[in-house]
Amino acid sequence: NAGVIQTPRHKVTGKGQEATLWCEPISGHSAVFWYRQTIVQGLEFLTYFRNQAPIDDSGMPKERFSAQMPNQSHSTLKIQSTQPQDSAVYLCASSSDWGYSAETLYFGSGTRLTVL
Amino acid sequence: GDSVTQKQGQVTLSEDDFLFINCTYSTTTYPTLFWYVQYPGQGPQLLLKVTTANNKGISRGFEATYDKGTTSFHLQKASVQESDSAVYFCALSRNMGYKLTFGTGTSLLVDP
Repeated sequence: NAGVIQTPRHKVTGKGQEATLWCEPISGHSAVFWYRQTIVQGLEFLTYFRNQAPIDDSGMPKERFSAQMPNQSHSTLKIQSTQPQDSAVYLCASSSDWGYSAETLYFGSGTRLTVL
Repeated sequence: GDSVTQKQGQVTLSEDDFLFINCTYSTTTYPTLFWYVQYPGQGPQLLLKVTTANNKGISRGFEATYDKGTTSFHLQKASVQESDSAVYFCALSRNMGYKLTFGTGTSLLVDP
C-alpha cells in the first residue's frame, strides 16, 4: 500500500497562472479530503468527496478554486489565476467507511505551491 | 461551528522529561477526538484516536484522555525522546465520515 500519493511535490507558478494539483487516494477508500496548510492559518479544510460525489465545499474560496473527482482513483484541485496568498502546502487525505479505520484520515505528503 | 483550541504553540523538553499537551474543543455533539503528528516534509499521521465509548487511547508510549465534562482532550507521555520532536495536532470529527477540524498544533522540540 503506497498510501495517498500527491503530485507534484513542489509547484512554482507566476501570479495569474493556473495550478492543478493531483491526488491518488488509497485504493478502496471512499472519501477524499483536501486541506490547505500555512503557518498563519494552520490546517484549513477545503472540500471533500464521498464515493466521488462532492459533499462539503464550505472551505473552498468561492472564486478561482475548484475540485473534482472524476473517478475513484484520483482527485484534482485547480486554482485559476493564482495569487501570492495561495502559496501553501495543499494536503490530500482519504478515509475508509469501515471498521476501526473509519473516520481516520490518511494524508499524503502534500504539494507545496509557491506563487511568485 | 466546530472548533479546537491548542494554546501551547511550542514546547521544549529534554530527553526523559514528561510531556503534557492540552486541547479543548467545542461542538454540538460528542465527537471522536484524534491526535495527529506531523514530521517535516510529511503530511499529518494518526497517533491516537479516542471515542466517547472508551475515553482513553494508548499508542507508541503516548496516552490520550478525553474529558467530556470539561470538553478537553490531552496528550501525555512519561518520557520523551529526541525522535518525538514533531508538531502535534488535536482534531475532532463530529460523526463518521465527516471532516476533521484541527487545532493549530504544538511544536515539540526534545533536546538530547
